[in-house]
Amino acid sequence: EDQVTQSPEALRLQEGESSSLNCSYTVSGLRGLFWYRQDPGKGPEFLFTLYSAGEEKEKERLKATLTKKESFLHITAPKPEDSATYLCAVQSLISSGSARQLTFGSGTQLTVLP
Amino acid sequence: NAGVTQTPKFQVLKTGQSMTLQCAQDMNHEYMSWYRQDPGMGLRLIHYSVGAGITDQGEVPNGYNVSRSTTEDFPLRLLSAAPSQTSVYFCASSREGRLAGLKTQYFGPGTRLLVL
Repeated sequence: EDQVTQSPEALRLQEGESSSLNCSYTVSGLRGLFWYRQDPGKGPEFLFTLYSAGEEKEKERLKATLTKKESFLHITAPKPEDSATYLCAVQSLISSGSARQLTFGSGTQLTVLP
Repeated sequence: NAGVTQTPKFQVLKTGQSMTLQCAQDMNHEYMSWYRQDPGMGLRLIHYSVGAGITDQGEVPNGYNVSRSTTEDFPLRLLSAAPSQTSVYFCASSREGRLAGLKTQYFGPGTRLLVL
């Protein structure tokens, strides 16, 4: 059974204070790892997909990295508008064979204070 | 493009009532899915569809039915609502097909359901 654990559950940062969010996963062969951003009262918004260990992707102040056991979402010099819940999800090789199922973590709630 | 739309935004039901949550997408995506989101539990897959006429169960299907008669629409039916079905429901779609695997899923704004 695929498992995804995100830490910390909540993170408060001062504007400009860089940090990282963690997503640890256990899957039977990774097909893809996904990062989403979710604002209160809204649906998740796609950020990145990573497919293999060593892969990195960037978007503005966000950078996602992937190892064989975990992924990090690095936030550089965050701004208050980066405040949101960040979700991580994995798709395994088994699930991709006959189904299109993602396993989500419970998210990290990020608050960036001005 | 409107993307993924969901109606209603909010609904209150009494135990035993039935209702249909609507989901539509205008991106011609093959894959559509329904999730529920509960505090501390992340998003959990209820049902999904890889194309018109094809549906399958996800992680938590009990108490819910789906059908897919068109590419655009994927309604979720609650047959007899229970308080345990109080949750936020999200519909999502992706253009990837059966062999390609999921890449980008686009989510709707959600339906908040309260069952008394």
